Amino acid sequence: KAGVTQTPRYLIKTRGQQVTLSCSPISGHRSVSWYQQTPGQGLQFLFEYFSETQRNKGNFPGRFSGRQFSNSRSEMNVSTLELGDSALYLCASSPLDRATYEQYFGPGTRLTVT
Amino acid sequence: AQKITQTQPGMFVQEKEAVTLDCTYDTSDQSYGLFWYKQPSSGEMIFLIYQGSYDEQNATEGRYSLNFQKARKSANLVISASQLGDSAMYFCAMREGPNFGNEKLTFGTGTRLTIIP
Repeated sequence: KAGVTQTPRYLIKTRGQQVTLSCSPISGHRSVSWYQQTPGQGLQFLFEYFSETQRNKGNFPGRFSGRQFSNSRSEMNVSTLELGDSALYLCASSPLDRATYEQYFGPGTRLTVT
Repeated sequence: AQKITQTQPGMFVQEKEAVTLDCTYDTSDQSYGLFWYKQPSSGEMIFLIYQGSYDEQNATEGRYSLNFQKARKSANLVISASQLGDSAMYFCAMREGPNFGNEKLTFGTGTRLTIIP
């Protein structure tokens, strides 16, 4: 079974631009969560989507948004990029089977804002 | 207050020795889950072990075990017979509330483990 995939893996953007990151969960997983990882703030929860609906949201400004498609693929968008948005963005998917309660993480997208 | 506290920023351990990574947590929920993840330099988070708040036995997964002390709100990870490939960042995380319908994980700041040959 293929793991969680994230595209692109690396991205360089300029302040003020917007960016869209993509995440394809493991086949059959309907929940997708997004996390931001920075050296200063560590790993922080952005939001979670389940069956195309945002089910949970972290404490981030409205510039950060996301969506989920009917095939469970998810995208997150950051508008008006700031230098502080430079981070590793991790996506995780979860199965409906709660036997393991595990979240499966993708390799991440490393975003650099200049 | 920090929900997850990892007090060891870095640790150096001799190969083949056992190592304990500390984690304390803070929650008022009765139902919660505790996780340990490993993050190699490549960046991907690798699930190691899970402990539910109602689980009476300590979780074990191969060389990994979780020393769960509920009254002390402690969930330490023990790695037996460490290997060079264990060198990585290790994160403790918590999910508060019931498992279903809640995927938000709160992470600690991590411990960088270095295994010395």
